Amino acid sequence: ETTLTQSPAFMSATPGDKVNISCKASQDIDDDMNWYQQKPGEAAIFIIQEATTLVPGIPPRFSGSGYGTDFTLTINNIESEDAAYYFCLQHDNFPLTFGGGTKVEIK
Amino acid sequence: EVQLVESGGGLVKPGGSLRLSCAASGFTFSSYSMNWVRQAPGKGLEWVSSISSSSSYIYYADSVKGRFTISRDNAKNSLYLQMNSLRAEDTAVYYCARETAHDYWGQGTLVTVSS
Repeated sequence: ETTLTQSPAFMSATPGDKVNISCKASQDIDDDMNWYQQKPGEAAIFIIQEATTLVPGIPPRFSGSGYGTDFTLTINNIESEDAAYYFCLQHDNFPLTFGGGTKVEIK
Repeated sequence: EVQLVESGGGLVKPGGSLRLSCAASGFTFSSYSMNWVRQAPGKGLEWVSSISSSSSYIYYADSVKGRFTISRDNAKNSLYLQMNSLRAEDTAVYYCARETAHDYWGQGTLVTVSS
C-alpha cells in the first residue's frame, strides 16, 4: 500500500502569499497524483491532475509539481476564496490512498 | 453538468445494514468507473471501493472487504454500496466519485453507526 504523507496539516496565510503543500509517497507512483479542494458542505473540486496539469477552469494561481515520490501543490497570490481543505490522491495502485489533508485558513 | 448525488445515509445500530445510492447525471454513466470514498469525523479521506464501467473489475479496501458490496445499474445511472455488519468505525460521510481520477464528487451522505 502506498502511504501519502501530506504536510502541513494546517496553515494560515495572508492574501497575496505563496503557499506550498507537500505530499510524499512511500513508493514511486510516477505522476499518478491528483490534488483537490474541498469547502465545508460542498463537493470536492478536482484542481490538479497527473501531478502537474491544471484542470480546465481552475485559476492559474494553482500549480502542481513533482514526480515519483515528492509532490507539491502551490497556490500563488492566495485569495480569501482559497480558504479550504486540500488533499492529494494517488491513483497509481490499489488500494487508492489519500494524503491526510491540509486546512488552509486565510487571515 | 456532471452531478453526483448520494443518498441512503442515516443512523444504524452496530451489526446493522444500510444501502447507499449515488445518482449520476450529466455524463454517459456506463462509460466511467466509479468509486466510494469516506471521511470519518475529524479524519482524512479513505478510499472504500471502486467498480469498473461494466462491473468487470471491483476493488475493496481491506477495512470493508467481506462486509460491503459495490454495484451499479447502468440503465438507471446509479451506483450503490451495500453495507452489512456495520461497526462504529464505519461512521463517516460517504462520497461517490467518478473515474479512478476522482474528477467529480458528490456532496456526501452521513452514516452514523451507534447504539
